[in-house]
Amino acid sequence: EAGVAQSPRYKIIEKRQSVAFWCNPISGHATLYWYQQILGQGPKLLIQFQNNGVVDDSQLPKDRFSAERLKGVDSTLKIQPAKLEDSAVYLCASSFGGGGGPWYEQFFGPGTRLTVL
Amino acid sequence: AQSVTQPDIHITVSEGASLELRCNYSYGATPYLFWYVQSPGQGLQLLLKYFSGDTLVQGIKGFEAEFKRSQSSFNLRKPSVHWSDAAEYFCAVGASGGSQGNLIFGKGTKLSVKP
Repeated sequence: EAGVAQSPRYKIIEKRQSVAFWCNPISGHATLYWYQQILGQGPKLLIQFQNNGVVDDSQLPKDRFSAERLKGVDSTLKIQPAKLEDSAVYLCASSFGGGGGPWYEQFFGPGTRLTVL
Repeated sequence: AQSVTQPDIHITVSEGASLELRCNYSYGATPYLFWYVQSPGQGLQLLLKYFSGDTLVQGIKGFEAEFKRSQSSFNLRKPSVHWSDAAEYFCAVGASGGSQGNLIFGKGTKLSVKP
């Protein structure tokens, strides 16, 4: 079974530029999550989708971050414009189960390491 | 608000020695508790989870964890550490109820293994 795929693996940009990350979850997984992991900290949830609807985006900085999940499968996370403090690893995860509750195991992708200069 | 504290930022143990990684949580109801491992350049992998029942849970790779409600702790243990266990370990608590599945992670403990 293929795991969660993410691209690119690494990205370096200048501040105020824009960047986009892509995630392909495990086939059949209804719930998709985007986490931000700043160096020295644990992952923090940015947004959670169930199919193509948003369940929780309370911690997403909506003035610069946006995310979509077209057709309930792939997802894209965008930052525009980027700030220095956005330097982090962006992790995508998916889980089976329509409720998206914590009892469903989340499977993580390898992440995208973003450096903002 | 839910929170997770991992008091040890970095631990070094000798190969073959026993290991205990500490985790304390803050949560009003019965928590859903998890331990994840992250190797360099890799995503997180679930080691074990506790939802209810037996307070001693077994996981993959020879790890176990014990839920102690009175101490609000969920410490991870392994009787004999292998060099391949060197990684970063994260404790997490999940919200119960509703439809949200988001996890609250601790800051992690980096494990180094001496030969």
